[in-house]
Amino acid sequence: RKEVEQDPGPFNVPEGATVAFNCTYSNSASQSFFWYRQDCRKEPKLLMSVYSSGNEDGRFTAQLNRASQYISLLIRDSKLSDSATYLCVVNIKGGSYIPTFGRGTSLIVHP
Amino acid sequence: GAGVSQSPRYKVAKRGQDVALRCDPISGHVSLFWYQQALGQGPEFLTYFQNEAQLDKSGLPSDRFFAERPEGSVSTLKIQRTQQEDSAVYLCASSFRTSRDTQYFGPGTRLTVL
Repeated sequence: RKEVEQDPGPFNVPEGATVAFNCTYSNSASQSFFWYRQDCRKEPKLLMSVYSSGNEDGRFTAQLNRASQYISLLIRDSKLSDSATYLCVVNIKGGSYIPTFGRGTSLIVHP
Repeated sequence: GAGVSQSPRYKVAKRGQDVALRCDPISGHVSLFWYQQALGQGPEFLTYFQNEAQLDKSGLPSDRFFAERPEGSVSTLKIQRTQQEDSAVYLCASSFRTSRDTQYFGPGTRLTVL
């Protein structure tokens, strides 16, 4: 079982839809959670950090559920430009904290 | 300011050749990371430096992989006797302080081993 798991999708949604992704992690000692966005053949770019209290940035909302060991990303009013792969990152305690990526969830927003 | 840069952007190697991939982190960033990304997968951690110290190399797949950051700035990932399974995108990232801070990625080096 991988330490960080994501449904690879693709999630195929119409413009204007609301879509949510989850990312589960196995190590309860994990800290520092992030969502990154990766466009085809490009590098990952930070979308937002994830805090225990939840945080919102425009149409994007991220939440952390420590009890159930998952983080979520909600995108409201989807735009065509939101089409990308969304990667979750969990810092997992080993000798040091290791940033561990999920395999990514593919989102396709269509007209 | 300048972001993370990597060179070369593309590298084709014959099986058995040695390759060296370079990463220039954001100036002043303490931590530097190397990842390997296969098609359709997320980046897989390889190794991590704080300044010149290699704090974790648990992700290096074999002893053919070696990374260094001798002056705490530029880093080189070296792969000896390349194999076809080494074909991937190698991503470098840096962060301001620790591994728990936001990472900023370079554009990657796409390595193809024939």
